[in-house]
Amino acid sequence: QKEVEQNSGPLSVPEGAIASLNCTYSDRGSQSFFWYRQYSGKSPELIMFIYSNGDKEDGRFTAQLNKASQYVSLLIRDSQPSDSATYLCAPSSNYKLSFGAGTTVTVRA
Amino acid sequence: DAGITQSPRHKVTETGTPVTLRCHQTENHRYMYWYRQDPGHGLRLIHYSYGVKDTDKGEVSDGYSVSRSKTEDFLLTLESATSSQTSVYFCAISEPGTGRTDTQYFGPGTRLTVL
Repeated sequence: QKEVEQNSGPLSVPEGAIASLNCTYSDRGSQSFFWYRQYSGKSPELIMFIYSNGDKEDGRFTAQLNKASQYVSLLIRDSQPSDSATYLCAPSSNYKLSFGAGTTVTVRA
Repeated sequence: DAGITQSPRHKVTETGTPVTLRCHQTENHRYMYWYRQDPGHGLRLIHYSYGVKDTDKGEVSDGYSVSRSKTEDFLLTLESATSSQTSVYFCAISEPGTGRTDTQYFGPGTRLTVL
């Protein structure tokens, strides 16, 4: 069983603050790591992916990967009310994703 | 948006009846996936396909079967629906090897209720 653990929510942050989301995974064969955002009642949509150790930035989002620690994180800078959603961490191995249960983020104005 | 549609979008059925959900893509992607999403469990893989007539099981495949006779269509069948199969079902597609990523893109989902 490939386990993916995300920090339990809900996570409430004020507008303009940084939201920090964490994820650990058990499958050392995982090669790529994806972050999806899911609004209530909608399907998951890709935010970004990372496959090399270190940081990757895309706009207000930064993903960090540490394969030795089996840890991946997502930072959301300058959080906006539109960032209020559930964020799903998904390591990939052999073209299959394993999902965490998600962390719900609420950005309060 | 990736060209993925799912039908029906909502369905209510009774225990013991057969149900088929359809996923249709216009992207010509090789891989297609079926997931279910339940509160507290996140998304769990049911079955996936890596080409026409090539399918394999995921982590929660019991009670489900799939078929893929054309690149664009991937069918999920519940032979005899049970209340435990009440869930939201998502289809996803990917084309591994493009841009060194196996990104999956999701369809809009089907909400299935088994009474």
